[in-house]
Amino acid sequence: DTGVSQDPRHKITKRGQNVTFRCDPISEHNRLYWYRQTLGQGPEFLTYFQNEAQLEKSRLLSDRFSAERPKGSFSTLEIQRTEQGDSAMYLCASSLDINMLQGQTQYFGPGTRLLVL
Amino acid sequence: ILNVEQSPQSLHVQEGDSTNFTCSFPSSNFYALHWYRWETAKSPEALFVMTLNGDEKKKGRISATLNTKEGYSYLYIKGSQPEDSATYLCAEGDSNYQLIWGAGTKLIIKP
Repeated sequence: DTGVSQDPRHKITKRGQNVTFRCDPISEHNRLYWYRQTLGQGPEFLTYFQNEAQLEKSRLLSDRFSAERPKGSFSTLEIQRTEQGDSAMYLCASSLDINMLQGQTQYFGPGTRLLVL
Repeated sequence: ILNVEQSPQSLHVQEGDSTNFTCSFPSSNFYALHWYRWETAKSPEALFVMTLNGDEKKKGRISATLNTKEGYSYLYIKGSQPEDSATYLCAEGDSNYQLIWGAGTKLIIKP
């Protein structure tokens, strides 16, 4: 399977614990994105990387959230001291940087569903 | 701040019937409009990306149109089948390649 993969698919944790999610993008894609989706809403942008550089972070991304892409390949998203409001689907996507005028299709993984008790 | 809206929120369609739904978006500083299909327990699947006013794209029984001047896109499904049941999401891509998403239209095809 050469698509975007995410691990784990589901995570249940207790409030106050730290969690880390992993995303493996399509291998030749240089851009990687993290989104969060809550029930009944569309995904919300969290952050994105071009290669290993984190170029933008949403205001939604509090200090408890950190994302890395150390070698420009896979990425991790860590949430420290989880809160019940962090319960959501965390989606990862990747794309190939091309002419902006042509648009960029982002290819998504299946997501990690987080439940904070 | 971009605000993308989709209507209706949900839709029940009889198998074999055709249907359509709407995505509206701010028309200033437009870059690209994306449509995705998201089935439960699967990854969102890219359907179309459109960049030019008047663009029309087609993929099998599904097609989409784009009007950037008035800020809307329509997605059409011809002869709905049970496998078309999914949530259809549109998103506007901004200058930083971020996608600003609508809340989706949940389509249920009744056999």
